[in-house]
Amino acid sequence: DADVTQTPRNRITKTGKRIMLECSQTKGHDRMYWYRQDPGLGLRLIYYSFDVKDINKGEISDGYSVSRQAQAKFSLSLESAIPNQTALYFCATSDLGRTGANVLTFGAGSRLTVL
Amino acid sequence: SQQGEEDPQALSIQEGENATMNCSYKTSINNLQWYRQNSGRGLVHLILIRSNEREKHSGRLRVTLDTSKKSSSLLITASRAADTASYFCATEGYNNNDMRFGAGTRLTVKP
Repeated sequence: DADVTQTPRNRITKTGKRIMLECSQTKGHDRMYWYRQDPGLGLRLIYYSFDVKDINKGEISDGYSVSRQAQAKFSLSLESAIPNQTALYFCATSDLGRTGANVLTFGAGSRLTVL
Repeated sequence: SQQGEEDPQALSIQEGENATMNCSYKTSINNLQWYRQNSGRGLVHLILIRSNEREKHSGRLRVTLDTSKKSSSLLITASRAADTASYFCATEGYNNNDMRFGAGTRLTVKP
């Protein structure tokens, strides 16, 4: 099994629908992140969480919300999806650990299309 | 806004040649990392270089960091077709709060 698992891998939905993307990890890492990838724009941070009671906005949090249900689970919700939220979404985890740096482990991605 | 910007946006070389990608960033950093992404898949960490380091090696990878110019380069020596992927630099500030990624360099290695 993958260290970081994202579901669903692909989703097509309509404008106005509520969508949840889920992420679970077996790395035992405290830190979890949601990124969005658009062609030519690289990855942009949506939300991040350093533990179950900690939620922080990233650079593009508008239109998104998150829930950290447990150390291993971090879900991303689009309350009312719009077409410009069509993108590839990545969950990632990290642990400062012995390196003192955030080295990210990524999931395989969730491709979302909003019609 | 993105922190890092990679250059070139795309690079095409023949197998066996060396590939060099550059990254520039805007603010002070704690460390800089390079990641690789195969088409449509998750990113994989390649190498990390700290702000007090100037060069690091890992296998066929060589990374340099010039903090005075706020730039880094990734060199892949003796490239292989399997190196075909997108390469991203990511910077981490001293608050260790988040990583900021550039838009990536798309590398194509022709057999």
